[in-house]
Order: sequence, then structure tokens, then C-alpha cells
Amino acid sequence: GENVEQHPSTLSVQEGDSAVIKCTYSDSASNYFPWYKQELGKRPQLIIDIRSNVGEKKDQRIAVTLNKTAKHFSLHITETQPEDSAVYFCAASVAAAGNKLTFGGGTRVLVKP
Amino acid sequence: GAVVSQHPSWVICKSGTSVKIECRSLDFQATTMFWYRQFPKQSLMLMATSNEGSKATYEQGVEKDKFLINHASLTLSTLTVTSAHPEDSSFYICSARDLGLARSYNEQFFGPGTRLTVL
Repeated sequence: GENVEQHPSTLSVQEGDSAVIKCTYSDSASNYFPWYKQELGKRPQLIIDIRSNVGEKKDQRIAVTLNKTAKHFSLHITETQPEDSAVYFCAASVAAAGNKLTFGGGTRVLVKP
Repeated sequence: GAVVSQHPSWVICKSGTSVKIECRSLDFQATTMFWYRQFPKQSLMLMATSNEGSKATYEQGVEKDKFLINHASLTLSTLTVTSAHPEDSSFYICSARDLGLARSYNEQFFGPGTRLTVL
């Protein structure tokens, strides 16, 4: 089955700096790659997603890039703010497998003011 | 739109008892719902895929007789943890897909989660 690796597990950045989180996946048939932000005790919130027919997507301070050949995708957060502090998860899904999501291990991001 | 609710939000029970958790799609129909378990400081692990009108599909290592899933309608799926033990204490989260939204065909909408504590 699908395996998703996420790095780093923790990330501390100064407010205003950029944060980058990287994920790799194993199943070349994966076609959907969402990123979630989860605050303690809350549900995961979708912050951005990308499909396999797109190489890059941006939404204000957040961007995601996808390299299908290398089977990796990355989340970029620019001009970080203290409210960006949370745990971020990447995930991948395969349409042929019922679109079930396989999550990465998570990255705990701390933005220091 | 695309709101998913869960009930209860938290539950404490004694070892050996059964606990039922409900997952509802409030403003859309969901032929497929997913159940996840999340231990503290860990990722979400898919337990099973719940399909309306048919048997759930369980992930490897998840005991189907312990975690009973029923998806009797297009807006409701239930997870029953039978004979719960302290090691079942976890955060249980459901999600659903809204097949009516072509743009978000792949997107899953998550419930707020249920924190289960087994004493």
C-alpha cells in the first residue's frame, strides 16, 4: 500500500521567515495530495491541495509543489506568523483505491515572535 | 457547506463497555465515510472505509469485530468500539466525501473528532 514520509518532524522558525515541509510517497498511482493544519484537539483543516496534473499551486502565503517523477511534494509557507504554529500533515490518495488518504507523520511548526 | 459532525465530542467509559460514535454529514450526502484513529502526538491512521448500504472495508490490523461500523444512510455512519480497553483510548475522527461537488471530488471533510478515554 501507499507509504508517505514527512520531514522534518519539528520545525522552528522566526516570525516572517519561510517554512518548508517535504513529503515523499511510494505509490506512483497517487493523484491527490492535500495538506492539513491541525491544532491541538481539533479536526484537520485543509489548507491547500494539488492534483497530479498540476505541478504547483499557490494560495496567498501558502504554496505546494509536486514532482511526480521523484514522487515528492512540498509545502511552502512564506512570511510566517505566530498563528501558523500548529501540526501540519501531508497526505496522498489513489483514486483506484477508493480515494482513501494516507497521512505523513506530521510536522510540528513553531513560529517564534 | 460540507459540514461533518460527530457525537459525542468526548466520552469516558469503563473497561469492558461498548461505546458508539456517530458521524453525520449535515448538508450533503456521503456514500463513503472514513474512520481514523489518532494517538497523542501521532498522525491519523485510517481504520476503515464505511460504504453506505454495504460492509465496511477495514485496514490491515484493525479488528472488524472490535470496531463495528454501520453506514445505514447517506448521512450517518457509526463506529462502535466493543469491549473497550484502556489501549483503545484515542481521538477518533471521521471524514466524508461530497460526491456532489465535482471540484472537490477528492476532498474529504473531517468531523471534529471524539476523544475516547477508557478507564
